[in-house]
Amino acid sequence: EPEVTQTPSHQVTQMGQEVILRCVPISNHLYFYWYRQILGQKVEFLVSFYNNEISEKSEIFDDQFSVERPDGSNFTLKIRSTKLEDSAMYFCASSLLGREGFSGELFFGEGSRLTVL
Amino acid sequence: GDSVTQMEGPVTLSEEAFLTINCTYTATGYPSLFWYVQYPGEGLQLLLKATKADDKGSNKGFEATYRKETTSFHLEKGSVQVSDSAVYFCALSDLGRDDKIIFGKGTRLHILP
Repeated sequence: EPEVTQTPSHQVTQMGQEVILRCVPISNHLYFYWYRQILGQKVEFLVSFYNNEISEKSEIFDDQFSVERPDGSNFTLKIRSTKLEDSAMYFCASSLLGREGFSGELFFGEGSRLTVL
Repeated sequence: GDSVTQMEGPVTLSEEAFLTINCTYTATGYPSLFWYVQYPGEGLQLLLKATKADDKGSNKGFEATYRKETTSFHLEKGSVQVSDSAVYFCALSDLGRDDKIIFGKGTRLHILP
């Protein structure tokens, strides 16, 4: 069964370092998303991406964050200069349809746990 | 803004017990409501959904009814199994307008054999 895969599963980094989290969405999906969950908090929307550009982003997704689809399969989240408060589980998701056609079903990866020291 | 509040976990039950996980929502429009589940070592996956008031979503023995009058979408199962041990997330989305999902914190469920 097709699945979304994420790497790394856990990354520990020093404050101020750049981090890239990688995701391989389901191959025929067109819409891609990043969510995050700080420990004990809600799962929060970060950004949606379609047709090689950002569709929507939340207030959390500031200039320190960027997303890219560098080739036909990978979807990456970059944090330029990590802060302590960026420590969280980051989830990648994809769907075949999005925006007004969205059915409500996202396919998620297992998550990448980021720890900033 | 729109939000979801669900009961704190962990919830621990014995096999074959009745399960309820409470969820209430706040929304300005008419959202669709969802339960997602995350089994150990896996990503979140859609368990069930309801798109309008009084709709009942159901899957794998789980049910939830969209109650507009009480702004609730409680998850129930009549007889839980060890394999139901997972984290359950209540969520909402304004389908037809955008594809952003608003999730709750999740409720961890442990089922003892």
